[in-house]
Amino acid sequence: GNSVTQMEGPVTLSEEAFLTINCTYTATGYPSLFWYVQYPGEGLQLLLKATKADDKGSNKGFEATYRKETTSFHLEKGSVQVSDSAVYFCAPGSSNTGKLIFGQGTTLQVKP
Amino acid sequence: GAGVSQSPSNKVTEKGKDVELRCDPISGHTALYWYRQSLGQGLEFLIYFQGNSAPDKSGLPSDRFSAERTGGSVSTLTIQRTQQEDSAVYLCASNLGPGQGNTGELFFGEGSRLTVL
Repeated sequence: GNSVTQMEGPVTLSEEAFLTINCTYTATGYPSLFWYVQYPGEGLQLLLKATKADDKGSNKGFEATYRKETTSFHLEKGSVQVSDSAVYFCAPGSSNTGKLIFGQGTTLQVKP
Repeated sequence: GAGVSQSPSNKVTEKGKDVELRCDPISGHTALYWYRQSLGQGLEFLIYFQGNSAPDKSGLPSDRFSAERTGGSVSTLTIQRTQQEDSAVYLCASNLGPGQGNTGELFFGEGSRLTVL
C-alpha cells in the first residue's frame, strides 16, 4: 500500500520567509498527490494537487511539483504570512481506489 | 446535503461504554472514509467504503471498532468498550469514488471529538 513521510515540525518562520515542507512517498502505480491544510479550529481542506509526473499544483502562493523520479511532492511558498500558520498534510492517493494515506502533518508557525 | 455532516460534534463517555458516531456524506458520493486524528498525531486511516463493494477495513485498530454503511449513504462508526486511548477526533470524508470524473479530492466533515474518561 501507499505510505508517506513528511518532515517533522513544528516549523517556525518569520513573515516573508521562504517555506519548504518535504514530502516523499511510496506507492504502487501512479498516484495522484495532494496537500491538505488544517487551519486552527477548522476542518481539513484541499490546498493543491497534482495528478501526473511533472505536474505542478499551486494555490494561495503555494506550489508543489510531482517528482516521479524522486517520489517527492515538496510544498513551497516564497513568502509566508502569519495567516499561513496551520498544519499541512501530504497525501498520495491510490490510483486504483482513490484511497488517501496521510502523512503525520507538519505544523507551521509564522511569526510577525 | 451541502457538505459532509458528522454527529455528535463532541462526545464524552466513560471507559467501557460503547459509542456510535454518524456520518452523512455529500449526496451522490459513493466513496466514504473514516480517519482518526489523535492529539499531535497525523490522520490515521480506519475504513473505506466504495459503493456496494466490501469495505477496506485494513485500518481498524482492533475488533472493538466496526463500521457500517446502510443504503450506500449514511455511515456509523461504532467503538465498543471504549478505552482512554480511543480519545481522538474521528473524521469522515467522501468523494465520487474511482472514475466518474473524480479528481481524488476528499471532502471532510468537521469531525466528532471523542473523549473517554
